[in-house]
Amino acid sequence: SYEVTQPPSVSVSPGQTASITCSGDKLGEKYVSWYHQKPGQSPVLVIYKDDQRPSGIPERFSASNSGDTATLTISGTQAMDEADFFCQTWDGTNKRMVFGGGTKLTVL
Amino acid sequence: QLQLRESGSGLVKASETLSLTCEVSGGALKSGGYSWSWIRQSPGKGLEWIGHIHHSGKTYYSPSLKSQVTISADWSESQFSLNLSSVTAADTAVYFCARVRVYSDSDFYFDNWGQGTLVTVSS
Repeated sequence: SYEVTQPPSVSVSPGQTASITCSGDKLGEKYVSWYHQKPGQSPVLVIYKDDQRPSGIPERFSASNSGDTATLTISGTQAMDEADFFCQTWDGTNKRMVFGGGTKLTVL
Repeated sequence: QLQLRESGSGLVKASETLSLTCEVSGGALKSGGYSWSWIRQSPGKGLEWIGHIHHSGKTYYSPSLKSQVTISADWSESQFSLNLSSVTAADTAVYFCARVRVYSDSDFYFDNWGQGTLVTVSS
């Protein structure tokens, strides 16, 4: 069945750019969404349709999806961005939602 | 503003059935372009999709849970439910309900989530 893979952790200094990847076979041919989740809270959508930001999500969040890799980029990372980030796509062959294992973003 | 709220038993005995309900307010359950989903998260782990019910009534389930899962909706009461049978300790998790935005057969994402409810399976 289709799987996507994320790095377990990413570290970034405040004000710098963080990149979180999500990899899967021909992922660029699928739509990818991204969510962040802070401890004890429910996930929040930050990107949908590969690169679209919902209203209320800061412009510092951007994303792309091509080839086998989707990338979430956070520019000018702030301490408040520290969270777990999950990518998500749809496995059309098996008719199932697929989540990445999650990446813990640490702002040092 | 759309709100989703999970309710149900927080403690279930092994081999019995886990039952949860998600009450939806601030929006119509039977709206075109949306489905309604259950997702769970084991302690300290990632997100696992359980399944969802489309506004047409069609259901989709995770292949790994399909034999245990039933998702249904009471459209008139604006709520949908999850039944997970024959539970084991591995089913202990926070269970979230969420709205799924459906753009096409290949474009789905979760645009609103409930706060989640912890269900513990005891032996």
